[in-house]
Amino acid sequence: DVKVTQSSRYLVKRTGEKVFLECVQDMDHENMFWYRQDPGLGLRLIYFSYDVKMKEKGDIPEGYSVSREKKERFSLILESASTNQTSMYLCASTPPWGGSYEQYFGPGTRLTVT
Amino acid sequence: GNSVTQMEGPVTLSEEAFLTINCTYTATGYPSLFWYVQYPGEGLQLLLKATKADDKGSNKGFEATYRKETTSFHLEKGSVQVSDSAVYFCALSLFSGGYNKLIFGAGTRLAVHP
Repeated sequence: DVKVTQSSRYLVKRTGEKVFLECVQDMDHENMFWYRQDPGLGLRLIYFSYDVKMKEKGDIPEGYSVSREKKERFSLILESASTNQTSMYLCASTPPWGGSYEQYFGPGTRLTVT
Repeated sequence: GNSVTQMEGPVTLSEEAFLTINCTYTATGYPSLFWYVQYPGEGLQLLLKATKADDKGSNKGFEATYRKETTSFHLEKGSVQVSDSAVYFCALSLFSGGYNKLIFGAGTRLAVHP
């Protein structure tokens, strides 16, 4: 079974702190994604990566950066956390070929910024 | 642009009732269509998918048919159970520029009562 794990299920940080969210997948997938999930808005893509050291902005990249130094690991960084970044963050991975392949999701990290 | 619209929730049903959650999409090209489900406290998992027009996806008693003429992918189940209570997301996937990108609807919360 594909497994996508995220470093924390719940996280509480203060405004201005630097926050790291980590995601690891064990299926040798090329593509990895970070989403945030907010009520009534569904999932919105923050960043994705299609290869090691490669990254592309998604729909809402402002206030975030990412790092992909190894194929299995994709990190989301909040350089200076703000209260409007309180949200559920979901990581996903998928092989690169074809749009019919599902994305596999981690359990999510619920981040609260106070 | 590409988008997914699904009916607003919450949908509240009694056990054994018939379920329909409407989903329509706008897309360039030939998307694959998905329904994901998110149980309380968990990440998203694939419920079913269809990759071309007139395909029917099915799983766990849920069904959805890819209707190109009406650009729809409505989710149905003949008899819901309490354990079906969850948030359901309709999504489309397009393969472009070497990667597949998922676009999600806002999600529909289903609550099933005994």
